[in-house]
Amino acid sequence: NAGVTQTPKFQVLKTGQSMTLQCAQDMNHEYMSWYRQDPGMGLRLIHYSVGAGITDQGEVPNGYNVSRSTTEDFPLRLLSAAPSQTSVYFCASSLKLAGTGELFFGEGSRLTVL
Amino acid sequence: AQSVTQPDIHITVSEGASLELRCNYSYGATPYLFWYVQSPGQGLQLLLKYFSGDTLVQGIKGFEAEFKRSQSSFNLKKPSVHWSDAAEYFCASRGSGAGSYQLTFGKGTKLSVIP
Repeated sequence: NAGVTQTPKFQVLKTGQSMTLQCAQDMNHEYMSWYRQDPGMGLRLIHYSVGAGITDQGEVPNGYNVSRSTTEDFPLRLLSAAPSQTSVYFCASSLKLAGTGELFFGEGSRLTVL
Repeated sequence: AQSVTQPDIHITVSEGASLELRCNYSYGATPYLFWYVQSPGQGLQLLLKYFSGDTLVQGIKGFEAEFKRSQSSFNLKKPSVHWSDAAEYFCASRGSGAGSYQLTFGKGTKLSVIP
């Protein structure tokens, strides 16, 4: 019962460094998404995907790239990290593309950019 | 655009007391509505969801929520709070139109429970 798996759980970067947050789900979900969580801001959508090869921007996409080469994986790339990207990142997936489908969340990846 | 408002940032209740967390949504039609809970250091877990029909929906851990169209509200309730309910609670909505993929979250309400 792995569900949604995120790695790494913790990461410290220096400004300007690049990294990739990994997300994998084993539920054959079509919809996958990345959120960032900041104190007092709730969860804000960064990017999402409705299937392999299809991605789109959410509310706060700047500074982040995504790709979806397989149904299972949806990595989030930071090409040049900035202190403003210090946050907790959550990957979430859903069986249904829209409507009633609930999101299943990973446990989060805490990123600090110095 | 959709929006979800949780007016209370932080609520403190005594163990055994009743609980009501407020949520208001903004959407032209009736959206799909969700309540999630997040324990410290964890991801979000679904408590309950509303699509249509009965305005009172039951969820896990003894929680329920009442949908009121006239007030654009979807408040979360629990008759008797347990210390383990201390967590952060998020209300969320998704549009009911075709192609409505995105889930919009409120900013959350942190619940503290006094033993």
